[in-house]
Amino acid sequence: QQQVKQSPQSLIVQKGGISIINCAYENTAFDYFPWYQQFPGKGPALLIAIRPDVSEKKEGRFTISFNKSAKQFSLHIMDSQPGDSATYFCAASIRADKLIFGTGTRLQVFP
Amino acid sequence: DGGITQSPKYLFRKEGQNVTLSCEQNLNHDAMYWYRQDPGQGLRLIYYSQIVNDFQKGDIAEGYSVSREKKESFPLTVTSAQKNPTAFYLCASSKQGDYGYTFGSGTRLTVV
Repeated sequence: QQQVKQSPQSLIVQKGGISIINCAYENTAFDYFPWYQQFPGKGPALLIAIRPDVSEKKEGRFTISFNKSAKQFSLHIMDSQPGDSATYFCAASIRADKLIFGTGTRLQVFP
Repeated sequence: DGGITQSPKYLFRKEGQNVTLSCEQNLNHDAMYWYRQDPGQGLRLIYYSQIVNDFQKGDIAEGYSVSREKKESFPLTVTSAQKNPTAFYLCASSKQGDYGYTFGSGTRLTVV
């Protein structure tokens, strides 16, 4: 119930393409869904986040799509760039309590 | 500049030795967290603390211990009871009631 399932484990995209990473959850009490970006040897950094009362949130080339009925949310990276190559984690939280993280997706964007 | 400092960046220890990882924040955050990161397993919560002198076990607390004597500091001790301690350890903090975490740059522990 407390798990967040993330897929795919790795993703290879050509420069300019769209990267899509998916996450699913079971616990309907989750009320905050962030995405974190991590570069090798660094700590994760908050990229974008959404609440369940919104179906989509866009910040620049990054968009979260949220499907409450399916209990799924996804990260879309438009016009993917080599600098986007990193590991991406989805996460979920209840009332600002501890974050539960997905297993991560390693994205590689080739020129 | 405010942030979280983890030290050292790399740490090597012999099997059977206890080792303490440092985590200091100057963000005036109330809550602090320790996560362990292994390839393909994401970030797993070891311990967390929401106020000074209080902390709770996370999902994988066995073989670890923590203390929270000051708001700014949340050190993690990896004891000899931890069966597979080699990993990347991440410390994070957040304001009470705030959803966003700030992470440190991590400590890579290798036990030989």
